Amino acid sequence: SQTIHQWPATLVQPVGSPLSLECTVEGTSNPNLYWYRQAAGRGLQLLFYSVGIGQISSEVPQNLSASRPQDRQFILSSKKLLLSDSGFYLCAWSVGSSETQYFGPGTRLLVL
Amino acid sequence: AQSVTQLDSQVPVFEEAPVELRCNYSSSVSVYLFWYVQYPNQGLQLLLKYLSGSTLVKGINGFEAEFNKSQTSFHLRKPSVHISDTAEYFCAVRPGGYNKLIFGAGTRLAVHP
Repeated sequence: SQTIHQWPATLVQPVGSPLSLECTVEGTSNPNLYWYRQAAGRGLQLLFYSVGIGQISSEVPQNLSASRPQDRQFILSSKKLLLSDSGFYLCAWSVGSSETQYFGPGTRLLVL
Repeated sequence: AQSVTQLDSQVPVFEEAPVELRCNYSSSVSVYLFWYVQYPNQGLQLLLKYLSGSTLVKGINGFEAEFNKSQTSFHLRKPSVHISDTAEYFCAVRPGGYNKLIFGAGTRLAVHP
């Protein structure tokens, strides 16, 4: 069966520091991968999605970037964090034309 | 452009009472519809989905939802809630032909004894 991991589970970082959040999927090949952000008390906003290695689509202009160095690995990065980057970051995957996305456990980021 | 509106940000209800969480969407193309549940500090878990066929969809944990095309709604219902149903519920749509999910702002269901 397929599983999705996110690391770390929680993170506290100072403003201006770099960021790297990792998402890995097991049990499937060539998944579509997604990064969402959930701000406190709000819904989910799609940040990036990828349909293959090295293929990244950005949904909103922002301080973040994404990379997909391997088929089942999706990384969310920033060179300099802002206070507004605080939130709950969720990774998700789907396969081919499947309509359903499955979510990881999330990473809670607090920027101070 | 597509959008999803969850009409209630919070729904308090007593244990064993019925509940309905409302979701309306707007889209110029056909859509697939989803409900997800999020327990505190966890990711999202798929409750149910409507892709095609019968407009009444049954999901996990006793939840069901009905797709109403004319009213562009996909309300979630449960005839008798438990304390353990306390969570945040998200309605989402996926426009046909797109890989993206569009989420509503969420409804916080609080079940009281």
